[in-house]
Amino acid sequence: AQKITQTQPGMFVQEKEAVTLDCTYDTSDQSYGLFWYKQPSSGEMIFLIYQGSYDEQNATEGRYSLNFQKARKSANLVISASQLGDSAMYFCAMREAMTTDSWGKLQFGAGTQVVVTP
Amino acid sequence: DAGVTQSPTHLIKTRGQQVTLRCSPISGHKSVSWYQQVLGQGPQFIFQYYEKEERGRGNFPDRFSARQFPNYSSELNVNALLLGDSALYLCASSLSWSSTDTQYFGPGTRLTVL
Repeated sequence: AQKITQTQPGMFVQEKEAVTLDCTYDTSDQSYGLFWYKQPSSGEMIFLIYQGSYDEQNATEGRYSLNFQKARKSANLVISASQLGDSAMYFCAMREAMTTDSWGKLQFGAGTQVVVTP
Repeated sequence: DAGVTQSPTHLIKTRGQQVTLRCSPISGHKSVSWYQQVLGQGPQFIFQYYEKEERGRGNFPDRFSARQFPNYSSELNVNALLLGDSALYLCASSLSWSSTDTQYFGPGTRLTVL
């Protein structure tokens, strides 16, 4: 079963505007971590932001913030004041507690391609 | 501080050959994980090593193997290459296998199988 769902395959956003990337997840664990990564065309996976399941406040990291709604199992990424360099694929990922099923691995969604236009 | 490094960056092999990919983690990180990313998809988990022991294995055939050395660097080996093994292979390091630990990725090795 799909653990991470990203429903937006692609988005266009104008420079200096904000954009929200959707992510929903599925887990029965109480302890888990949610991560967002950026992957430019070069291929490197760049860590952006982390939200722990027990964190009561939404995570923020510079222009990135995470809208965490635990009851709805959603962890949307908000990028404020978009820049041309933000054009990339964005992946939502989850890391569950170490079990024989999850192995503490990162489980990724299909990604959302963001294109920032001048 | 140096990030995760991987070598080589690109590799071209033919079907049936064997390949070894290498990864050096961030200093102080004891866990290394390997992922395969086929074009147009998210990465898929292959292996996780922690303290030189295999701690997890994804749904990949036995042609895939890995190991972690005393200095925490790691190698991924793929035998009897198939066309479908063509992908970007990503190595990630973290302090441990905890769900709260961030995995930091290297630049990847792009493998093409002809």
